[in-house]
Amino acid sequence: DQQVKQNSPSLSVQEGRISILNCDYTNSMFDYFLWYKKYPAEGPTFLISISSIKDKNEDGRFTVFLNKSAKHLSLHIVPSQPGDSAVYFCAASLSTDSGTYKYIFGTGTRLKVLA
Amino acid sequence: NAGVTQTPKFQVLKTGQSMTLQCAQDMNHNSMYWYRQDPGMGLRLIYYSASEGTTDKGEVPNGYNVSRLNKREFSLRLESAAPSQTSVYFCASSLIWGTGTDTQYFGPGTRLTVL
Repeated sequence: DQQVKQNSPSLSVQEGRISILNCDYTNSMFDYFLWYKKYPAEGPTFLISISSIKDKNEDGRFTVFLNKSAKHLSLHIVPSQPGDSAVYFCAASLSTDSGTYKYIFGTGTRLKVLA
Repeated sequence: NAGVTQTPKFQVLKTGQSMTLQCAQDMNHNSMYWYRQDPGMGLRLIYYSASEGTTDKGEVPNGYNVSRLNKREFSLRLESAAPSQTSVYFCASSLIWGTGTDTQYFGPGTRLTVL
């Protein structure tokens, strides 16, 4: 049961254009959503997050949009740069009975920015 | 500042062999985690340590044991390796556990193959 889904395994975008990475989820109880970026042979690094009570969060070239009614979030990268080529993971956090949170990761989307 | 380090980077085991994956962080973080990443699946939490002296099971703990040796170090042990444990293992740390949006810092991963 994949509660966080990234249905596009890969995406290619021309340098300077917009990259849009999508993530769908099934559990309306998720509290936060996070995006991580991963380069080959490295661990994932945190990129940006959004609370479930917000619909947009922006940090420089990166903006995350949350559509709660559609249970969908997207990461926009504008303008895309060759250094953005990486695998992007969507993750969601869910509060537990013990009062803490657990994190559920999607399968990742490989972005390739073409020079 | 090394962040999160993991050893070894690569390992090949035969079925039934045991080994310990080592992880250390130098960011004075309280919480540490072990994840595995398999093809077509997101990162899945094996065990975590919310603070020094505590460990708890994650989503896929069977076949693994952990030790939080001190605040810096968190090891993962496979007592009797099985081919199903072939995976890439990531260690991560965060300042605190369970806020829902705590940033996790990941190590570079250990690629383990069990024959």
